[in-house]
Amino acid sequence: GQSLEQPSEVTAVEGAIVQINCTYQTSGFYGLSWYQQHDGGAPTFLSYNALDGLEETGRFSSFLSRSDSYGYLLLQELQMKDSASYFCAVKGSGAGSYQLTFGKGTKLSVIP
Amino acid sequence: DAGVIQSPRHEVTEMGQEVTLRCKPISGHNSLFWYRQTMMRGLELLIYFNNNVPIDDSGMPEDRFSAKMPNASFSTLKIQPSEPRDSAVYFCASTATGNTEAFFGQGTRLTVV
Repeated sequence: GQSLEQPSEVTAVEGAIVQINCTYQTSGFYGLSWYQQHDGGAPTFLSYNALDGLEETGRFSSFLSRSDSYGYLLLQELQMKDSASYFCAVKGSGAGSYQLTFGKGTKLSVIP
Repeated sequence: DAGVIQSPRHEVTEMGQEVTLRCKPISGHNSLFWYRQTMMRGLELLIYFNNNVPIDDSGMPEDRFSAKMPNASFSTLKIQPSEPRDSAVYFCASTATGNTEAFFGQGTRLTVV
């Protein structure tokens, strides 16, 4: 099966940088994804890493180390609208298809 | 495309009643997931289908829960009988094989009283 660990809450100041870590254990691994969810909304896709290294998309970057079963999401130039929950998710194999399993989420609060 | 469509958006029902949640995935997507979200347990994968076939239902909590996908454009999640502990937000998501992004519906907020 799959299990993922990430901090439950993080607080950061507007304009700053914050890093949200994720460690995982999985029986099959294709990649690590990150999703954002605002209160009352649906999770929306942010990024995906299949290979080791850093992927950058605007203010957001995501990193993966397959050997360490570890990844992180880096948010730069924080804005108030970035206050949300962030989920890491493992895309793992299962019976010939691709199962997507989520961590419990990290609630990010951006303060002025 | 309108995205993943779920209905109803909100459902309030009495304990013991049958509840049916519906999902229309994005056209062309061949994988469909049902998730349940609560504060305590986060986003739990209940079941996923590939090409309309249930691949893994190990996350379905118990026999009161059942899911079907009769065709590529429709899936249901049924709870019979419902219990107060089933109160949660239920999400449906879809993706296509080889895609890295899963698209979520807006969810159904279920309250069982």
